[in-house]
Formats: sequence, C-alpha cells, structure tokens
Amino acid sequence: EAGVAQSPRYKIIEKRQSVAFWCNPISGHATLYWYQQILGQGPKLLIQFQNNGVVDDSQLPKDRFSAERLKGVDSTLKIQPAKLEDSAVYLCASSLGQGHYEQYFGPGTRLTVT
Amino acid sequence: TQLLEQSPQFLSIQEGENLTVYCNSSSVFSSLQWYRQEPGEGPVLLVTVVTGGEVKKLKRLTFQFGDARKDSSLHITAAQPGDTGLYLCAGVEDSNYQLIWGAGTKLIIKP
Repeated sequence: EAGVAQSPRYKIIEKRQSVAFWCNPISGHATLYWYQQILGQGPKLLIQFQNNGVVDDSQLPKDRFSAERLKGVDSTLKIQPAKLEDSAVYLCASSLGQGHYEQYFGPGTRLTVT
Repeated sequence: TQLLEQSPQFLSIQEGENLTVYCNSSSVFSSLQWYRQEPGEGPVLLVTVVTGGEVKKLKRLTFQFGDARKDSSLHITAAQPGDTGLYLCAGVEDSNYQLIWGAGTKLIIKP
C-alpha cells in the first residue's frame, strides 16, 4: 500500500514570495491533515479536512495561508506572502476518517524562507 | 486548550542502558498514541493505548497508559542506536475527540 506522498521535499524562497505544497493521502483515507513542525518541536495542526470539507482550521494564519482539497483526495497548502518565521517542515497526514485517530504521515516538505 | 507535557525534552544515553520517557496531562484522554520521528521523515505510529492501565509491548519498547487515562510512559530496555529519534505522544481528548500533540522527547543513543 502506497504511503502519503508529498512534494516538493525541499523548498527555499525569499520572504514575500509565495509557495505551494502538494499532498496525496493514502487511498481511501477520508481525513487529511496539514501540520507545521518547527525544528525539534511537535507538530502543530494547521488544517484538517474530512473529505473535501474543513473540520478545523482554527490555527491556520488565514491572512497568508490557504489550503484546499477540492475533490476530497489530494490537497494543496499555499503560503502567500511568506515570512521568515514560516521556515519549518510542513507535514501532511491522513487517517481513515471519523472515529479513526491513527495518522499516517508523509515525509514532509522542508521550507526555508530567507 | 489541553496540553500534553513530555519529559524529558532531551535525553542522551549510551547503548545498552534503559530509559523511560513520560507524557502527562491534567485531563482525560480516550486514547493515546506514541510516534517516533527520525530526521528528515514524518512521524511513524508505534502504538495506540486505549484502556486505563493498559500495557503494550513492542520488542524492547513498553508502553503504559495511566489508570486515570491522563498520562503515559514509554520504557526502552537495552537501548540501541536505532532507537534514536524524536518520540511524540498524541492524545484524543475525551470531551471533543480533538487530537492533542506533545512537544516530544529527543532521544539520542550513543554507540
């Protein structure tokens, strides 16, 4: 069974530029999560989708971050414009769906904002 | 907002030693998960504990869920360099089923 796919693996941009990350979850997983992880810390949930609907985006900085999962399968996370403090690893995870909390993570995208 | 505190934040020991790391909260969780994350990779689920007092073993790793379902521990016997990584706990809140993450314990096992 294929795991969660993410791309790109690494990205370096200058502040005020925009960037987009892509995630393809495990086939059949209804729930998709985007996390931000600062080096050495635990993941911070940015947004959670159930199929193509948003369940929780309370910690998403909506003035600069946006995410979509239009067809309820893959998802994109965008940052526009980027700030220095956005430098982090962006993790995508998926789980089976409501009532299933065990998450399967992709390898992450390491973003450096200079 | 519910908090999950992990301790210690950092631990560096020699190969062959035993260790225990902790995950504590003031509130009740319906279940708790432990993940290990290696550098450059996403977290990988190790175990889920559900019942108060439950003990699960995964080779040299022993996981325990507190009787009151507020805390958990991970004990590693005869640690090996391959155990090196960031150990994260995540609990499902009893009240709203939200998943809460700890900040992790960074473990280094020196050969």
